[in-house]
Amino acid sequence: GAVVSQHPSWVICKSGTSVKIECRSLDFQATTMFWYRQFPKQSLMLMATSNEGSKATYEQGVEKDKFLINHASLTLSTLTVTSAHPEDSSFYICSAPTRTSGSNIQYFGAGTRLSVL
Amino acid sequence: AQSVTQPDIHITVSEGASLELRCNYSYGATPYLFWYVQSPGQGLQLLLKYFSGDTLVQGIKGFEAEFKRSQSSFNLRKPSVHWSDAAEYFCAVQGGSEKLVFGKGTKLTVNP
Repeated sequence: GAVVSQHPSWVICKSGTSVKIECRSLDFQATTMFWYRQFPKQSLMLMATSNEGSKATYEQGVEKDKFLINHASLTLSTLTVTSAHPEDSSFYICSAPTRTSGSNIQYFGAGTRLSVL
Repeated sequence: AQSVTQPDIHITVSEGASLELRCNYSYGATPYLFWYVQSPGQGLQLLLKYFSGDTLVQGIKGFEAEFKRSQSSFNLRKPSVHWSDAAEYFCAVQGGSEKLVFGKGTKLTVNP
């Protein structure tokens, strides 16, 4: 299957700082990528859809000024958590769809655990 | 809007026993259906998918799932569970957009 690389896998930062998470599609191009947030022992909640060359589309209730998304190339999307606070601590996962015969399959990165002190 | 229900939060089985994880979906048309597995602290790995055609689909690691339109279900099965199958399992549905909607997940514990 396709490979999606996510970096870093774990980051600890001080409250008030910003953290950037990268999501790369290694062996395919992705005009769209998705960012999810997962709280402990819970399901994945879609935060936003990252669109190459245009603005991201955010889900209801997600602060676009806090979670900045940039999709500058067909293989890279970044999520920046700005002015992070302890409540932003979570597991963030990205995915990228591959398109085959009109349908698509999403492949997921390994996730980034963010701990804000 | 589509939704997914996984009724079982936690299931425990003995190694070698059979397994069935339940998934019910809500969507107006025929959806695309997926099962993913997540090990602790890891991303999601695709086990299998249903798009159309044969309603019994085979996946990796010996898993299979059956799409039953009349019951709006897509249950995951494995005839003999291995200790390495212990993980969190997510059922997901994809409707008209590319967005995936996930169930809340079922945690599988395997006893020796």
